[in-house]
Amino acid sequence: YVVTQAPSVSVAPGQTARITCGGNTLSDRGVHWYLQKPGRAPVLVLFDDSDRPSGIPERFSGSRSGNTATLTINRVEAGDEGDYFCQVWDDDNEYPVFGGGTELTVL
Amino acid sequence: QVQLEQSGAEMKQPGSSVRVSCQVPGGSFGTFAITWMRRAPGQGPEWIGRIIPIVDTSKYSRNFQGRVTITADKSTATAYLDLTDLQFDDTATYFCGRDTAYKVAFWGQGSLVTVAS
Repeated sequence: YVVTQAPSVSVAPGQTARITCGGNTLSDRGVHWYLQKPGRAPVLVLFDDSDRPSGIPERFSGSRSGNTATLTINRVEAGDEGDYFCQVWDDDNEYPVFGGGTELTVL
Repeated sequence: QVQLEQSGAEMKQPGSSVRVSCQVPGGSFGTFAITWMRRAPGQGPEWIGRIIPIVDTSKYSRNFQGRVTITADKSTATAYLDLTDLQFDDTATYFCGRDTAYKVAFWGQGSLVTVAS
């Protein structure tokens, strides 16, 4: 599995950010998204393509079409800045595969 | 929330080895896998390996094969990452995570390993 992300996305506060994750084949085990801020542990923000863990605002949503998954953040806030990386599961080899991360900058 | 507690920062010389630990309190150790990944400065996350403590089986990334060993001590609910023959490009923050249902729900706070002469 290879998953690809754009290195950076910039949006103005209050606008919508869309971050994509593309793969040669995205597995049936779902696409999961993490936010990592500098010096901090990653935090799971979406799992199984579009489910939100407890505590994650409804502004965060996810979708998948074919071999591309999209994380959408509505009404972006300064606190949403950070590195968002996706993760899929390699069924054949039984391990997680991470995207390279997309740095979200709020202008 | 599950809090994974990792060991502290390490400074190592090239060619040496490092051990990073990851303790999972709360009594749920063994019901999930522990995965290890690292982030080098300016780089994306890189998966290193994982262990399923209940059956004591490990898998490793080909990028680390031969240099990495992941073990788990069920009596102390602690997983260990051992990395040998450290090189400058092994400088990174190493993270353990609770790996279940094909995702990592919780991560440790990270352990900075610096390789310098």
